[in-house]
Amino acid sequence: EPEVTQTPSHQVTQMGQEVILRCVPISNHLYFYWYRQILGQKVEFLVSFYNNEISEKSEIFDDQFSVERPDGSNFTLKIRSTKLEDSAMYFCASSDWGNTPSFFHEQYFGPGTRLTVT
Amino acid sequence: KNEVEQSPQNLTAQEGEFITINCSYSVGISALHWLQQHPGGGIVSLFMLSSGKKKHGRLIATINIQEKHSSLHITASHPRDSAVYICAVQPIIQGAQKLVFGQGTRLTINP
Repeated sequence: EPEVTQTPSHQVTQMGQEVILRCVPISNHLYFYWYRQILGQKVEFLVSFYNNEISEKSEIFDDQFSVERPDGSNFTLKIRSTKLEDSAMYFCASSDWGNTPSFFHEQYFGPGTRLTVT
Repeated sequence: KNEVEQSPQNLTAQEGEFITINCSYSVGISALHWLQQHPGGGIVSLFMLSSGKKKHGRLIATINIQEKHSSLHITASHPRDSAVYICAVQPIIQGAQKLVFGQGTRLTINP
């Protein structure tokens, strides 16, 4: 069964460093998302991406964050200068939209990347 | 105020019991999702529904759009059902695909 994959599973970085989290969405999916979950808190939406551009972003997704689909298969989240409060589990998700009559589609989540900023 | 509220926050039950987890939301939605998060952190989609009721094995999800309420039921619960169950909604904004999450319900089923 197709699945969303994410690398690395755990990333430790120092405050101020840049990190890139990588995701490979399900191959025929058209919508891609990043969510994060700070330990003990609920999952929060960061950004959605469709047709090679950001379709929606949250207040959390400020200038320190960027997303890219560099090669048609990978979907990346970059944090330019990490802060302690960026420590969280980051989930990538993808959904199939536009290929079926239904507007609303199930989102498939990757296993997450645990980011620890020290 | 949270847009999505779940109850209870924690639920402990004995194997075999019938489980109900509730979700109330305050915004107009196009769809509601029930998700399962295991201790390792991974999230699995259980149901997506916009009306009525869906059943998959021992899991049943219902939604009442007028009352802005959904329930997730587990029949004949088993220790392997122990996980965090999360309700998430898709707000009814044109083009919006994002999910807004509840805080989750931690379910523990004892043998």
